[in-house]
Amino acid sequence: DTGVSQDPRHKITKRGQNVTFRCDPISEHNRLYWYRQTLGQGPEFLTYFQNEAQLEKSRLLSDRFSAERPKGSFSTLEIQRTEQGDSAMYLCASSLDGGRITNEKLFFGSGTQLSVL
Amino acid sequence: ILNVEQSPQSLHVQEGDSTNFTCSFPSSNFYALHWYRWETAKSPEALFVMTLNGDEKKKGRISATLNTKEGYSYLYIKGSQPEDSATYLCALPPMRFGAGTRLTVKP
Repeated sequence: DTGVSQDPRHKITKRGQNVTFRCDPISEHNRLYWYRQTLGQGPEFLTYFQNEAQLEKSRLLSDRFSAERPKGSFSTLEIQRTEQGDSAMYLCASSLDGGRITNEKLFFGSGTQLSVL
Repeated sequence: ILNVEQSPQSLHVQEGDSTNFTCSFPSSNFYALHWYRWETAKSPEALFVMTLNGDEKKKGRISATLNTKEGYSYLYIKGSQPEDSATYLCALPPMRFGAGTRLTVKP
């Protein structure tokens, strides 16, 4: 399977714990995106990478959230000191740089469902 | 309109019915509009990428139109089937997504 993969699919944690999610994009895709989605809402942009460079970060992303893409391949999203409000689906997507980011089809993973108790 | 808005929020139709949904978006600084289909327990999947005013795209029984001057796009499904049941998202990617229209097609 050469699609976008995310791990784990589900994560249950206690408030105050740290969690880390992983995303493996399609191998030739140099852009990678993280989104958060809650019930009844569309995906909410968190951040994106061009290769290993983090180029954009939403103001909604508090300092408890950090994302990395160290070698320009897979990416991790870490949430420190989780809160109940962090409970959501975290989606990763990738695209191939075709010059204009707005025109690039996004390929999504299946997401990581986080539940903070 | 500052955000991407979709209507209706949800829709229930019978198998064989044709249906359509609306996506409204800011018409200024437009580059492209995307439609995605998101089936339960699966990944969102791209349907269409539309860039030009008046664009019409078709994929099987699903088609979409685009009006960039007035800031709306319509998605049409002809002869809905149960397998069309999904949430349909429109987006001005990569930053802005609508909340989606959840379609349920009853056999």
